[in-house]
Amino acid sequence: GAVVSQHPSRVICKSGTSVKIECRSLDFQATTMFWYRQFPKQSLMLMATSNEGSKATYEQGVEKDKFLINHASLTLSTLTVTSAHPEDSSFYICSARIPPNYGYTFGSGTRLTVV
Amino acid sequence: SQELEQSPQSLIVQEGKNLTINCTSSKTLYGLYWYKQKYGEGLIFLMMLQKGGEEKSHEKITAKLDEKKQQSSLHITASQPSHAGIYLCGAGINDYKLSFGAGTTVTVRA
Repeated sequence: GAVVSQHPSRVICKSGTSVKIECRSLDFQATTMFWYRQFPKQSLMLMATSNEGSKATYEQGVEKDKFLINHASLTLSTLTVTSAHPEDSSFYICSARIPPNYGYTFGSGTRLTVV
Repeated sequence: SQELEQSPQSLIVQEGKNLTINCTSSKTLYGLYWYKQKYGEGLIFLMMLQKGGEEKSHEKITAKLDEKKQQSSLHITASQPSHAGIYLCGAGINDYKLSFGAGTTVTVRA
């Protein structure tokens, strides 16, 4: 149980275009989801907290207009990388809290390459 | 913010040998999570420790939480090739956001 499905697993896009990454909780309702970014051989860096029905909370240094987060339902959160540039190339992972407070489950990640 | 330091950064172990990874916090740990990651993939949940002195085991992996030392350890007994990967410790910030250590890369040699 408590599975989070993340799509796509890999995406290549051209500079200047936008890319949407989806994260769905399959068998539970996720009022809160988290988006992380991971650079090669580095740990996960929390980008933002996605709250169902309200605005996302971004960590310091993360551009809100660059990384648009939408959490329109209790099972879906999306991260849109707008006007992507090569420096946005990275591994993005979503996570959700498993109710009631039994930990966190993670998506399988999305490898974004901007060319 | 929560600072988590993992050691060692990487280790190579002969198959069948034991290994230990440490995770030290700059603040008191109220909850500590251990995950395993294959490079470029998602995280696999291993253990969640919430109480001081708590110890949990699953198959050949044991994790302990020592609140007094603000430290947790992950011990693998009789390592196998399947244990290879990146091990990450995570702790809650403000009770709900997870912050991670830098990770420990484990290589198991046959």
